[in-house]
Amino acid sequence: GAGVSQSPSNKVTEKGKDVELRCDPISGHTALYWYRQSLGQGLEFLIYFQGNSAPDKSGLPSDRFSAERTGGSVSTLTIQRTQQEDSAVYLCASSLEGGANTGELFFGEGSRLTVL
Amino acid sequence: RKEVEQDPGPFNVPEGATVAFNCTYSNSASQSFFWYRQDCRKEPKLLMSVYSSGNEDGRFTAQLNRASQYISLLIRDSKLSDSATYLCVVKTNAGKSTFGDGTTLTVKP
Repeated sequence: GAGVSQSPSNKVTEKGKDVELRCDPISGHTALYWYRQSLGQGLEFLIYFQGNSAPDKSGLPSDRFSAERTGGSVSTLTIQRTQQEDSAVYLCASSLEGGANTGELFFGEGSRLTVL
Repeated sequence: RKEVEQDPGPFNVPEGATVAFNCTYSNSASQSFFWYRQDCRKEPKLLMSVYSSGNEDGRFTAQLNRASQYISLLIRDSKLSDSATYLCVVKTNAGKSTFGDGTTLTVKP
């Protein structure tokens, strides 16, 4: 079956432009996460969606960042007025939560964002 | 202080060596614990879950000490293919998974 799909895989943009990154999780997975990873650094939590609950937005670094998840499936991460420090790989992960599930996170291959 | 802390390394060991990684977490409400592996320029993948009684998967042994809020990963008989970054992951009962910054392992011939 299909894994987590992210697009675009690479995005180069100019400072000040808006970008949208898309994540298509594994079908049936109720939880969806966005992380970002700068070169040589760890994963920084951004936002977490779980079913119909209000998302945990505690990791969003500024109000330029927002994310939505439509119909409990596809998610879009939007970065407005991009800055050079936004350059990173943005990783999406999904998991099947609840019951005896381990909650293993399945990651997409990431969207590499470069802000010039 | 970060929620999940790991020794960044790098750990450089010869083939066949035994190596141990440590991880501490600060949120006492944490409920589930994992080790993930990340190869260079790749996405992280689950290596193993960590259970309270400790668990083993081949050459890999994971331990959890809830009282000390400490997790460990032991790799025996290291292989060249074990070279990667190992990420400690802690999940709260609210479902949020927090990653440590990872420990880099290089196994040399």
